[in-house]
Amino acid sequence: DIQMTQSPSTLSASVGDRVTITCRASQSISSWLAWYQQKPGKAPKLLIYKASSLESGVPSRFSGSGSGTEFTLTISSLQPGDFASYFCQHYNSFPFIFGGGTKVEIK
Amino acid sequence: QMQLQESGPGLVKPSETLSLTCTVSGGSISTNYWSWIRQTPGKGLEWIGYISYIGSTIYNPSLKSRVTILVDRPKNQFSLNLNSMTAADTAIYYCARVRSSGSDWSYFFDSWGQGTLVTVSS
Repeated sequence: DIQMTQSPSTLSASVGDRVTITCRASQSISSWLAWYQQKPGKAPKLLIYKASSLESGVPSRFSGSGSGTEFTLTISSLQPGDFASYFCQHYNSFPFIFGGGTKVEIK
Repeated sequence: QMQLQESGPGLVKPSETLSLTCTVSGGSISTNYWSWIRQTPGKGLEWIGYISYIGSTIYNPSLKSRVTILVDRPKNQFSLNLNSMTAADTAIYYCARVRSSGSDWSYFFDSWGQGTLVTVSS
């Protein structure tokens, strides 16, 4: 199985900060990567697919980049509703694996 | 707006079989693939498997021996059966739509149910 490692596991930031989350794959997954946001008690919500494609309705302050084994999710200016957990997921091959998550907390 | 809703027991005894149903509204089940995913504090998000609208399935090898996913197109539902439940299967179970319709490699999840907590305990 391809393993996905996210860092950091927790991130403290303030409103307006630029935030970057990293996801590393144990082997190349091309651009077959998605990012999700999850708020407490809610289901994950798709933000980005194919590493850098923004899902419809998702604010443009969210962006994704990378290919191969290293990927990043960037929030250009953190908003109050962005304090949440973020997960990456590869879909290069079966089984699909999620990263362990990054919790973005208020500093 | 497509909506998914999980239903089933919140409590299952050890060694018994979990049966969950996902009802899809606001769209047809016959246009996409559909998945079950679970989440625990310890193991995080775990993909269980998917089913196409014609009933073909792919399961996570870690659960393959215990999992069955079925589709009921007239009812616009799909279901999960997981047998030989143990405490390690205690989790929030989500159903989700897979973006792929089979003609493209888009195996990410663009609509999710709210999730249902399943506890395994005697």
